Amino acid sequence: GQQVMQIPQYQHVQEGEDFTTYCNSSTTLSNIQWYKQRPGGHPVFLIQLVKSGEVKKQKRLTFQFGEAKKNSSLHITATQTTDVGTYFCAGPDGGTSYGKLTFGQGTILTVHP
Amino acid sequence: KAGVTQTPRYLIKTRGQQVTLSCSPISGHRSVSWYQQTPGQGLQFLFEYFSETQRNKGNFPGRFSGRQFSNSRSEMNVSTLELGDSALYLCASRMGAGLEQYFGAGTRLSVL
Repeated sequence: GQQVMQIPQYQHVQEGEDFTTYCNSSTTLSNIQWYKQRPGGHPVFLIQLVKSGEVKKQKRLTFQFGEAKKNSSLHITATQTTDVGTYFCAGPDGGTSYGKLTFGQGTILTVHP
Repeated sequence: KAGVTQTPRYLIKTRGQQVTLSCSPISGHRSVSWYQQTPGQGLQFLFEYFSETQRNKGNFPGRFSGRQFSNSRSEMNVSTLELGDSALYLCASRMGAGLEQYFGAGTRLSVL
């Protein structure tokens, strides 16, 4: 079945440093979604990328979808303590009409003030 | 607009018992998916329901089942609980195909 790998598993940064997490799928994705889960919380949708090579920005967050639609990245510029949490990428499995998402293992981001 | 509501938030059960978890999706959302989250396995898909029909099922044993009602509310049931079933069970709803999913706060199940 479809596999989604995410690296690194953990990332510790000082406040103000940049952060990047990478996501790779074993299959071509119709789209890729990113979620953030705060400690003790639930996944919260951040963004969806659909087009090959697409780049989207949300304030300090930059999301990219690879040309082959098999990889993606999330980059945070100048991290803040509010960025703490686990960042997941997820790809739909079985076509876009289905609600089955295959999640990466997530990157746990710790920001030291 | 109310979010996805899951009840109960916490459950403690013993091995061999069964449990039923409930999920009320966002109003207007007809698709409900269930996920199990554990530290070791991460987020794993259980099943999805759309218009009262199960459309997809993950790789879980038959002890895990679910259903959806005509008002889109969904329940999942786990029978003959095992210690390994201890996890956070998350329900997510979405408006339509290809769109993002909105997660509830989850039900944390502990099996003793």
